[in-house]
Amino acid sequence: SAVISQKPSRDICQRGTSLTIQCQVDSQVTMMFWYRQQPGQSLTLIATANQGSEATYESGFVIDKFPISRPNLTFSTLTVSNMSPEDSSIYLCSVSGTSAYEQFFGPGTRLTVL
Amino acid sequence: GNSVTQMEGPVTLSEEAFLTINCTYTATGYPSLFWYVQYPGEGLQLLLKATKADDKGSNKGFEATYRKETTSFHLEKGSVQVSDSAVYFCALSEWNNDMRFGAGTRLTVKP
Repeated sequence: SAVISQKPSRDICQRGTSLTIQCQVDSQVTMMFWYRQQPGQSLTLIATANQGSEATYESGFVIDKFPISRPNLTFSTLTVSNMSPEDSSIYLCSVSGTSAYEQFFGPGTRLTVL
Repeated sequence: GNSVTQMEGPVTLSEEAFLTINCTYTATGYPSLFWYVQYPGEGLQLLLKATKADDKGSNKGFEATYRKETTSFHLEKGSVQVSDSAVYFCALSEWNNDMRFGAGTRLTVKP
């Protein structure tokens, strides 16, 4: 399986600021995804990061709040914009595997907004 | 649409006890089924998977069988250890990589 890293691993941010999270994969992958995991909850898909085109967002998530870049097949960023305490969550990137519709996850970025 | 329902937690067991975490699913097609594990402070790790009916996925003493007739994929382990304490997520995914997760079940194993 792919080795996935995320930066930063955690951060504490002030209300109204923005944070960009990076996701790096050690091999080229077709699909990359961004999820949010609110405290004590399951995972919710934010968007699919498409290489060379705009990300595909799920219902309830918009590009102005969560802009995503994917400049190549091994890297993506998620920005959480104009943050509020409700954005305090773990943000995880994942990549598609080579079989069985599986996904592999990065270690997550733990964000606290004060 | 597709969905996953898993047993509510938390679950607390003594070391060497038998574990079952129930998972049922609803799907329009023929999904692959997964169990992921999240250890404290970490991301999700793929624990095991099954891609078609009657397949059994297994790893680290855990196993689950894809039961199409009961739309279930229950996770079992014969003898749990303290190190198995984590949150377990059942999930399904189909051709469009739309992965759906259950709510998660927190397992605590006491010595």
